[in-house]
Amino acid sequence: AQSVSQHNHHVILSEAASLELGCNYSYGGTVNLFWYVQYPGQHLQLLLKYFSGDPLVKGIKGFEAEFIKSKFSFNLRKPSVQWSDTAEYFCAVNARRDDKIIFGKGTRLHILP
Amino acid sequence: GAVVSQHPSRVICKSGTSVKIECRSLDFQATTMFWYRQFPKQSLMLMATSNEGSKATYEQGVEKDKFLINHASLTLSTLTVTSAHPEDSSFYICSARDKAGGYTGELFFGEGSRLTVL
Repeated sequence: AQSVSQHNHHVILSEAASLELGCNYSYGGTVNLFWYVQYPGQHLQLLLKYFSGDPLVKGIKGFEAEFIKSKFSFNLRKPSVQWSDTAEYFCAVNARRDDKIIFGKGTRLHILP
Repeated sequence: GAVVSQHPSRVICKSGTSVKIECRSLDFQATTMFWYRQFPKQSLMLMATSNEGSKATYEQGVEKDKFLINHASLTLSTLTVTSAHPEDSSFYICSARDKAGGYTGELFFGEGSRLTVL
């Protein structure tokens, strides 16, 4: 069965700091990978996704993620965070033969102004 | 972007009653819809996968007789919590995959429905 592990449950950073949120998944087959964000009081929205091609994926708001197949990882990065990035971030994996999408437990990011 | 609408956003009911939550894709066709449950400060737990015109596929540990899912059309799926109990109180979120996107299609999420069972 698929599973997704997010290592950081709560991250606190100052503005302009660099961000990296870890995500590892367990599944031996072909996968699609996603990062979703949930801003306070809002619903989930897609930050970026990977399904094939260049393993370095760029998303909205300056976020990017790198798929490293050998490490089963899809870490999210941003070189310089802003206060408005305060939100909860979810990594998700979709095993293509399965069709369902499984989420990690989320990382709550708090940016200090 | 694509919009998924959930209704009601909040519902309070008495123990033993049934509650129906609707999930609609407003501007796209969704062959597959997913129902998640989110506990406070926790992740989204997949409850079931709903395909238009067929029976839902439930995740292990989810009671299909308690959480009835119907996907009657390409734009509507419903979740009915039958004989609700306080432990069913939670935040239920639906999501839909754009039919045109296939397996690579992103999920679009509804705003969620907060169920409180007294």
